Amino acid sequence: IAGITQAPTSQILAAGRRMTLRCTQDMRHNAMYWYRQDLGLGLRLIHYSNTAGTTGKGEVPDGYSVSRANTDDFPLTLASAVPSQTSVYFCASSDSWGGDTGELFFGEGSRLTVL
Amino acid sequence: QKEVEQNSGPLSVPEGAIASLNCTYSDRGSQSFFWYRQYSGKSPELIMFIYSNGDKEDGRFTAQLNKASQYVSLLIRDSQPSDSATYLCAVNIGGTGNQFYFGTGTSLTVIP
Repeated sequence: IAGITQAPTSQILAAGRRMTLRCTQDMRHNAMYWYRQDLGLGLRLIHYSNTAGTTGKGEVPDGYSVSRANTDDFPLTLASAVPSQTSVYFCASSDSWGGDTGELFFGEGSRLTVL
Repeated sequence: QKEVEQNSGPLSVPEGAIASLNCTYSDRGSQSFFWYRQYSGKSPELIMFIYSNGDKEDGRFTAQLNKASQYVSLLIRDSQPSDSATYLCAVNIGGTGNQFYFGTGTSLTVIP
């Protein structure tokens, strides 16, 4: 049982480079999310998608883009990485509709360092 | 101001004691509330969820919700060293879809 797979697990990236973090789930969950986790700031929502073909902005969307072409995949792209995007990135999914249900299932995280 | 606020701690309790973790949220329309535990270097994992005012108990864990005060808490009874972790409060603010917002987390250490 894979659940949510993130890749890469760790990456060092030069500032200005483009980077895509991959996220795939095999649970057929309708909703998917990207969070970044920084010391002292907790988990902050970057983008979310409630169903394939739709996306929305979270708390800190600037500098990031997402797409949801199908149910299983939800890649996060940094078009031109900056050092402030150094963080641990978590992809998550939930099987929920509406606003009052849904456990979040997390991937193992992707540690990104931008130099 | 963040949607979800937690005391970052650290909180230390002796083994066997009750640990009390607190969380407040700003969106009165929020309908579901979650507590996640995160061990160092690991992903968050769900401990409890609560939707209705009052208490919800699951083993050594009790979640408490007061929507009028916009307050959620987690009590851990008979705390064990294995409970040492960061506890994250999360709120699903709903609206146009599901948006789960997290607090900054409270670091708990249970001292043997």
